[in-house]
Amino acid sequence: AQTVTQSQPEMSVQEAETVTLSCTYDTSESDYYLFWYKQPPSRQMILVIRQEAYKQQNATENRFSVNFQKAAKSFSLKISDSQLGDAAMYFCAYRTGNQFYFGTGTSLTVIP
Amino acid sequence: GEEVAQTPKHLVRGEGQKAKLYCAPIKGHSYVFWYQQVLKNEFKFLISFQNENVFDETGMPKERFSAKCLPNSPCSLEIQATKLEDSAVYFCASSLLPGRNTEAFFGQGTRLTVV
Repeated sequence: AQTVTQSQPEMSVQEAETVTLSCTYDTSESDYYLFWYKQPPSRQMILVIRQEAYKQQNATENRFSVNFQKAAKSFSLKISDSQLGDAAMYFCAYRTGNQFYFGTGTSLTVIP
Repeated sequence: GEEVAQTPKHLVRGEGQKAKLYCAPIKGHSYVFWYQQVLKNEFKFLISFQNENVFDETGMPKERFSAKCLPNSPCSLEIQATKLEDSAVYFCASSLLPGRNTEAFFGQGTRLTVV
């Protein structure tokens, strides 16, 4: 069975600092994709970054980067130079062909 | 359209009433997913479609929930005889391909409140 675990229900970071959100997953598949979605209070789910499991290189999107450790089944998100607009729920997700599996989310607070 | 459109944004139903939610996927996207989000965190998969065909319905409580995606119409999720525990935000998402690399684009959700 596929499961996604986010062990940090809440995190906070000072504005302009760096924060890392953790995610682990469990799967028996060898080819899959991982995603981080952001959900602000507006409820809109916004894709932050994605990672192909067959790529060893960690994905990067501007201030967002991942640390993908395939053997450990770990997929953490690093947010650099945190901004007030980064405050939101962050969901880690794993995709098979039929559906996405989501973690329970990490609520990120950015302190001015 | 260029975004997934869900209607209505909010829906209030008395216990036992029917609720019907709609989703227009992004034009050209063949895959549609429905998720139920309870208490702002847990996403429960309900059902997915490939065009008008059910792709995976392992998450659907079949006794009261049904869903359709018909050609040239918005997809719909219907709950017969709603219960208090059905109160949640229901998200629809669409994707271009079934492949594992393609992201899902989400609508803004429908908040269903059963009173």
